[in-house]
Amino acid sequence: DAKTTQPNSMESNEEEPVHLPCNHSTISGTDYIHWYRQLPSQGPEYVIHGLTSNVNNRMASLAIAEDRKSSTLILHRATLRDAAVYYCILTNTGTASKLTFGTGTRLQVTL
Amino acid sequence: DTAVSQTPKYLVTQMGNDKSIKCEQNLGHDTMYWYKQDSKKFLKIMFSYNNKELIINETVPNRFSPKSPDKAHLNLHINSLELGDSAVYFCASSPKSTGTGNSPLHFGNGTRLTVT
Repeated sequence: DAKTTQPNSMESNEEEPVHLPCNHSTISGTDYIHWYRQLPSQGPEYVIHGLTSNVNNRMASLAIAEDRKSSTLILHRATLRDAAVYYCILTNTGTASKLTFGTGTRLQVTL
Repeated sequence: DTAVSQTPKYLVTQMGNDKSIKCEQNLGHDTMYWYKQDSKKFLKIMFSYNNKELIINETVPNRFSPKSPDKAHLNLHINSLELGDSAVYFCASSPKSTGTGNSPLHFGNGTRLTVT
């Protein structure tokens, strides 16, 4: 599985935008970029995913570099409830494909 | 309604015992998974079932045996529990049998297993 690299931790003020980076220089043409987050004492929660184009949904935006070697998860206005570990994961289609979680980025949100 | 539900939420047991964790999804998904999160918070896939058929079996001891009576259920039975089995176990499901690429996973809230 192609690997991703994320900062161990980031901090943000509430109501501010947050940009969470992810490097994936060995991404293959068929790899999708997924983002999940895990709040304390909960299971991982799907946030967003994309292949080549930028994506928006009600939770966040995903900006994918033109060469696809990096991506950025954008939370437009961080709230205290967004404090979690955010995982950037590459995966592709195929019955035996799977999500392989790394260490993620721990996001702290302060007042 | 809970989409992916696991029972029990907490499980405390002694070494050597046999225990089961149940998982049910009401999303109509074809594929179900078991993940293990250890004390260092690493999440690792254990098994994947597609429509009751085993697809992925990572290097998990054969004391762990998944059972899928139908595509909405994937239970995890563990024999001869060991201290190192203490972890949080997450069940998940995804809509398509074509893999995780374009199919988000839905996770349950986990079962915290403590072996004493």
